[in-house]
Amino acid sequence: GESVGLHLPTLSVQEGDNSIINCAYSNSASDYFIWYKQESGKGPQFIIDIRSNMDKRQGQRVTVLLNKTVKHLSLQIAATQPGDSAVYFCAETRSGNTGKLIFGQGTTLQVKP
Amino acid sequence: EPEVTQTPSHQVTQMGQEVILRCVPISNHLYFYWYRQILGQKVEFLVSFYNNEISEKSEIFDDQFSVERPDGSNFTLKIRSTKLEDSAMYFCAGGAMNTGELFFGEGSRLTVL
Repeated sequence: GESVGLHLPTLSVQEGDNSIINCAYSNSASDYFIWYKQESGKGPQFIIDIRSNMDKRQGQRVTVLLNKTVKHLSLQIAATQPGDSAVYFCAETRSGNTGKLIFGQGTTLQVKP
Repeated sequence: EPEVTQTPSHQVTQMGQEVILRCVPISNHLYFYWYRQILGQKVEFLVSFYNNEISEKSEIFDDQFSVERPDGSNFTLKIRSTKLEDSAMYFCAGGAMNTGELFFGEGSRLTVL
């Protein structure tokens, strides 16, 4: 069946360090992947996406890596800041039905000052 | 910056009662969604809505659930007869295109007693 998951429920990093949040997916038919950030008491917020024809995509301070061979997705946050503290979800979907997102369990990122 | 607004922020209801959760999506969005998140768990897709009709729904979205966009502005989720397990945070989301970049509201917390 379909499942999207994250390897670690909680990640604690020092302010200024780089963070790496991992995600594994099992549905080979998925061809579009998205990272969302959810701050306490708020709805998920889009961070960055990547399609299966790419293996890396960079945004502002964030990079998403996709390894289709092992069905692995990661989010790298450079120079982590206190405002990055949140729960991070990976989500997968398929072209043509991209609003139906299948979310993973989430990783809580804690940034220590 | 335009945002998705949801009301009520929190509703407490008795089991068996009808509940209507309301959302005002961003005005230029065409695709609308409801997701839910049981406390501490991942975000789950409920239903997608486009061109005034349901385009897809999940197994969770059974006959007790319905959606409506009555006036071209509001987007509502109705639960006809609530159950204890309907207690969750319900998120409305929208998108301008059929992409994975969804804009979520802050959610409506439903507590069924």
